[in-house]
Amino acid sequence: GAVVSQHPSRVICKSGTSVKIECRSLDFQATTMFWYRQFPKQSLMLMATSNEGSKATYEQGVEKDKFLINHASLTLSTLTVTSAHPEDSSFYICSARGRDVMNTEAFFGQGTRLTVV
Amino acid sequence: LAKTTQPISMDSYEGQEVNITCSHNNIATNDYITWYQQFPSQGPRFIIQGYKTKVTNEVASLFIPADRKSSTLSLPRVSLSDTAVYYCLVGGAPRGNFNKFYFGSGTKLNVKP
Repeated sequence: GAVVSQHPSRVICKSGTSVKIECRSLDFQATTMFWYRQFPKQSLMLMATSNEGSKATYEQGVEKDKFLINHASLTLSTLTVTSAHPEDSSFYICSARGRDVMNTEAFFGQGTRLTVV
Repeated sequence: LAKTTQPISMDSYEGQEVNITCSHNNIATNDYITWYQQFPSQGPRFIIQGYKTKVTNEVASLFIPADRKSSTLSLPRVSLSDTAVYYCLVGGAPRGNFNKFYFGSGTKLNVKP
């Protein structure tokens, strides 16, 4: 299957700083990317959807000014957590779908563990 | 937006067949049914996808009745390494129309020796 790579896999940052997480589709063009957040022992919660070259669409309750999403190319989307606070500590996962893939599945990255201290 | 309902958890023993059923009463005509597996601190991994009847691949089978209001993931002869959370999702569409995937609660499968 297609490969989606996230970087970094783990990051620790100080409260008040910003953190950028990258999501890359390695062998297909990702026309749509999704960002999820997962707290311990909970399910994945969709944060936003981004289409290449367009502004991201955020789910209700997700602050767009805090979670900046850029999908500038067909292989790269970034999520920037601005002015991070301890409550932003979570597991962030990206997912990508592309027009070249044969089926309708979404491919997921390995996730990024963010810890804000 | 099709909502899915799954059992919160299931226990099984090594070598047994495990069937996890998911209810999706308001599935739309264009929706596919997709199952993912997730291990702790990893992203979900695709298991199988189907639209109707039965789909089988090298790791699982997916049974979908005619009304498509439910589906059953069948894992043959599970092993300890199959202990994970299994998510049933509905959505998506044929190439060119990308609906979002919303995750339900998932089913925590615990395989015992």
